Amino acid sequence: DTEVTQTPKHLVMGMTNKKSLKCEQHMGHRAMYWYKQKAKKPPELMFVYSYEKLSINESVPSRFSPECPNSSLLNLHLHALQPEDSALYLCASSQASSGTYEQYFGPGTRLTVT
Amino acid sequence: DAKTTQPNSMESNEEEPVHLPCNHSTISGTDYIHWYRQLPSQGPEYVIHGLTSNVNNRMASLAIAEDRKSSTLILHRATLRDAAVYYCILIHAGGTSYGKLTFGQGTILTVHP
Repeated sequence: DTEVTQTPKHLVMGMTNKKSLKCEQHMGHRAMYWYKQKAKKPPELMFVYSYEKLSINESVPSRFSPECPNSSLLNLHLHALQPEDSALYLCASSQASSGTYEQYFGPGTRLTVT
Repeated sequence: DAKTTQPNSMESNEEEPVHLPCNHSTISGTDYIHWYRQLPSQGPEYVIHGLTSNVNNRMASLAIAEDRKSSTLILHRATLRDAAVYYCILIHAGGTSYGKLTFGQGTILTVHP
């Protein structure tokens, strides 16, 4: 099974809402990633978790709060977002964070902030 | 991170080979060359990666120049399903990069029936 699942597929939220995105993999991977992709642009890294520890935060605003409760699960908690945060949020996993392994991506959550 | 340069777009006919070039003149000795593609409305998909030697898998071949300053992704027989944005990405092995992918603009491949 080489699948990374993401829920929900679509999310519409107001600027005062709190919501969470979920990502799951059962490949035994120990590195997990969040990327953000705006329309017609390439994906941009937001966070990297390695062995359930936050290893990289690419200066992401605090209204985005990642969480890795266990090695299979990655969450992204959203609070007080802005309309410009509307984007496709992609999760990926890799066997390790050494750079020598491929990353498997989920289908993404399309977020609209109203 | 070392930078890659790819053509903005390329076209091919179905069932013909496609050679997608990538220049990475500032590559360092521990940078792996990764290729991903993104089909419309989907997440990126891993294609192939290598360090120094040419690599083959079921999807494609990767030809790496001897000086490693360029590489070419080869799709042996393009299909309509291969129409996508192809990204050539260098990943520094180990250290503090944690395998992060830094996507450039990529090459938009159009496949004609």
